[in-house]
Amino acid sequence: SYELIQPSSVSVSPGQTAQITCSGDILTKKFARWFQQRPGQAPVLVMFRGSERPSGIPDRFSGSSSGTTVTLTISGAQVEDEADYYCYSASDNAGVFGGGTKLTVL
Amino acid sequence: QVRLVESGGGLVKPGGSLRLSCAASGFSFSDYYMIWIRQAPGKGLEWLSYINYSGDNTKYAESVKGRFTISRDNAKESLYLQMNSLRAEDTGIYFCGRGADSWGQGTLVTVSS
Repeated sequence: SYELIQPSSVSVSPGQTAQITCSGDILTKKFARWFQQRPGQAPVLVMFRGSERPSGIPDRFSGSSSGTTVTLTISGAQVEDEADYYCYSASDNAGVFGGGTKLTVL
Repeated sequence: QVRLVESGGGLVKPGGSLRLSCAASGFSFSDYYMIWIRQAPGKGLEWLSYINYSGDNTKYAESVKGRFTISRDNAKESLYLQMNSLRAEDTGIYFCGRGADSWGQGTLVTVSS
């Protein structure tokens, strides 16, 4: 089985750039997705195919990839971006989530 | 727009069974593979199971293999998860997903004596 590793927490001040990383061998072969989850809510897709934003996701969200690591960048983070973020990938129809990163914007 | 509504959660004793349902609308259900994930209280997301468009190809996480069964009824635009031999560690919110891009609001499963 595959494993995706994320930092447990990231903290930035409003207006700063937040970067959340996700590492795993599967990421050299498969794209990653990123989900945002606010407390008590369902996950929301914020990035797919590594760097593509679904409609409705602000352009301050971007994604990049290098080797076994993908990065979700929030440029000019806002208070409303405070949430848990999960990376996700799949191979042979089996999915795997990273452990999640709590983003604090304070 | 995409709408996924889970139901069937509840309180069940260890060793018991539950059948979760997910009613889909707003998209062509039979065109998409579907997924179940869950979230234990205070924990992260866990991928559980996959089913392809026609329902003849499925995949399970090791943690539920042999106990859970995913199925779908394209005519009813519904996804199911039959959960048997439930354990305390199966407690959590269960979400159904259209592919891996949209999720329902989840249904709570509590396994406790």
